[in-house]
Amino acid sequence: GAGVSQSPRYKVTKRGQDVALRCDPISGHVSLYWYRQALGQGPEFLTYFNYEAQQDKSGLPNDRFSAERPEGSISTLTIQRTEQRDSAMYRCASSFDSVNTEAFFGQGTRLTVV
Amino acid sequence: GQQVMQIPQYQHVQEGEDFTTYCNSSTTLSNIQWYKQRPGGHPVFLIQLVKSGEVKKQKRLTFQFGEAKKNSSLHITATQTTDVGTYFCAGGDYGGSQGNLIFGKGTKLSVKP
Repeated sequence: GAGVSQSPRYKVTKRGQDVALRCDPISGHVSLYWYRQALGQGPEFLTYFNYEAQQDKSGLPNDRFSAERPEGSISTLTIQRTEQRDSAMYRCASSFDSVNTEAFFGQGTRLTVV
Repeated sequence: GQQVMQIPQYQHVQEGEDFTTYCNSSTTLSNIQWYKQRPGGHPVFLIQLVKSGEVKKQKRLTFQFGEAKKNSSLHITATQTTDVGTYFCAGGDYGGSQGNLIFGKGTKLSVKP
């Protein structure tokens, strides 16, 4: 596609529910990144993929967070048993590959856990 | 772990004044990238610096990478209202995975016309 697309743009969920956030990267981009951005803060690295392989998941806060990119294109970030502290903007970015790392960010998903 | 510090956190300038934001890393960086985020928007890539002592210019913006590859700066000459936003540096860590960019907290620039 023309840019990185994330859905939904906004998600309100009740504490304890699972949520799945979707990212559709720029077509042909090898690398895909997930970040979390709190208000007034910089993006915080969560995980990244090259093709379908998860290269680094060191930024995932705990085992309630997981991500996949089964066919090397669309990715899903899943948060199980959501907690209020999970509320944030979740941003996906993609880059041509892991050498040409200019990252193109999507508009993000604003997650609110009530 | 690697930390990237940015100062100042906020900067208010009169239109036409210059602006500089500084980025410092606790470890040697493989590269540094700069992004701009407008209010309500998403980070947009500005530039990447890779070489020690590298200086790059984009119109009124000048980017520098320190000799030790631990610090960087972004300087804007004669600011305009269109420069408003938050400027982030993001460092790639030699010790980390190649995709693990560590972002600073950003410098929020406001420009008074």
